[in-house]
Amino acid sequence: AQSVTQPDIHITVSEGASLELRCNYSYGATPYLFWYVQSPGQGLQLLLKYFSGDTLVQGIKGFEAEFKRSQSSFNLRKPSVHWSDAAEYFCAVGATGGYNKLIFGAGTRLAVHP
Amino acid sequence: GAGVSQSPSNKVTEKGKDVELRCDPISGHTALYWYRQSLGQGLEFLIYFQGNSAPDKSGLPSDRFSAERTGGSVSTLTIQRTQQEDSAVYLCASSSRPDSPLHFGNGTRLTVT
Repeated sequence: AQSVTQPDIHITVSEGASLELRCNYSYGATPYLFWYVQSPGQGLQLLLKYFSGDTLVQGIKGFEAEFKRSQSSFNLRKPSVHWSDAAEYFCAVGATGGYNKLIFGAGTRLAVHP
Repeated sequence: GAGVSQSPSNKVTEKGKDVELRCDPISGHTALYWYRQSLGQGLEFLIYFQGNSAPDKSGLPSDRFSAERTGGSVSTLTIQRTQQEDSAVYLCASSSRPDSPLHFGNGTRLTVT
């Protein structure tokens, strides 16, 4: 069965520091992979997605993620964090060849210190 | 254009009452999903509608939960005889194609007292 693990429940970084949020998935075939962000009082917004092709994908707000099949990982990165990046981040996996039924991780809450 | 709209944004109900939550997807989106987000947890898939196909109800937690989608557009999630463990944020999402990313509404926060 599909599953997604986000090992870090909370992460705190200083503004301007680099960021990496971890995501590991379990799926038998090549998955669709997504990162969503949920800011306080707002709905979920898609940051980026991986379907196929280049394993390094660029998203909005300066985020990128790298698909590593050998590690079953899809970690999210940003070189320099801004205070407005404080939010909850969700990794999700979807089935290829079928419909877009996403399985979400439990989320990582990011706090940014000035 | 307009995004996914959900109503009400907040709902407080007494244990044992029935509630209805509404979702207006983005116009033209054929796929519609309901998810539940409990405090401190990720999103739990509930149900999926795609066009005129039979819905995938595999995520509904009990027979107290049901959903319908009228005319391929608006959807209503109904919870009968609500329990305290039903308290959560219920999120609706839609997409234009099965392999397109989901667009989420802001959710309905349900509190069962």
